[in-house]
Amino acid sequence: NAGVMQNPRHLVRRRGQEARLRCSPMKGHSHVYWYRQLPEEGLKFMVYLQKENIIDESGMPKERFSAEFPKEGPSILRIQQVVRGDSAAYFCASSPGRGDQPQHFGDGTRLSIL
Amino acid sequence: AQTVTQSQPEMSVQEAETVTLSCTYDTSENNYYLFWYKQPPSRQMILVIRQEAYKQQNATENRFSVNFQKAAKSFSLKISDSQLGDTAMYFCAFIGAQGGSEKLVFGKGTKLTVNP
Repeated sequence: NAGVMQNPRHLVRRRGQEARLRCSPMKGHSHVYWYRQLPEEGLKFMVYLQKENIIDESGMPKERFSAEFPKEGPSILRIQQVVRGDSAAYFCASSPGRGDQPQHFGDGTRLSIL
Repeated sequence: AQTVTQSQPEMSVQEAETVTLSCTYDTSENNYYLFWYKQPPSRQMILVIRQEAYKQQNATENRFSVNFQKAAKSFSLKISDSQLGDTAMYFCAFIGAQGGSEKLVFGKGTKLTVNP
């Protein structure tokens, strides 16, 4: 009975490289959310997706960041040409989409930029 | 825009005692949901308790309970019989229930230390 699965747990990239973070939602969940947590801060919303659709990307930087949730396979958060400021923990959450059902979080991906 | 404020950056409590963490929020919506999440040193995000705004009864989950004051927009968390495993960051969070985006809005967190 797997929960939200994120991989990798830790990712190290050099400045200018690309980072790809993956998230498989809980079984039966069709809504995926990405959040970013900077050191010593709370989580900040980035993007909300349903299968093949971006519903709300108001929290995502306009450049270098993109997200997808294809019909088959996990949701991907992609960061191109990473910079030091991208170092953070990136959390994925999923829900069945009903407002009364809480979002369940994965263990996060810790991205470190050298 | 909704905001969530946690005014206590850090708190400590002795094992077996009771502690209350504060949270206030701002919204123009009438129906919404409130949550407390726990983030232990392992940095997982664990749902502790949730409250639906249209329910007047305060939610409880074992040793965890909330004091929800809708008019004051206050949502405090009470932890009874504190245990060492309760040591963690605690985040208060809000989500609107009126459709559209379902993004959680988090406070900055309260770091709770339970001392033996």
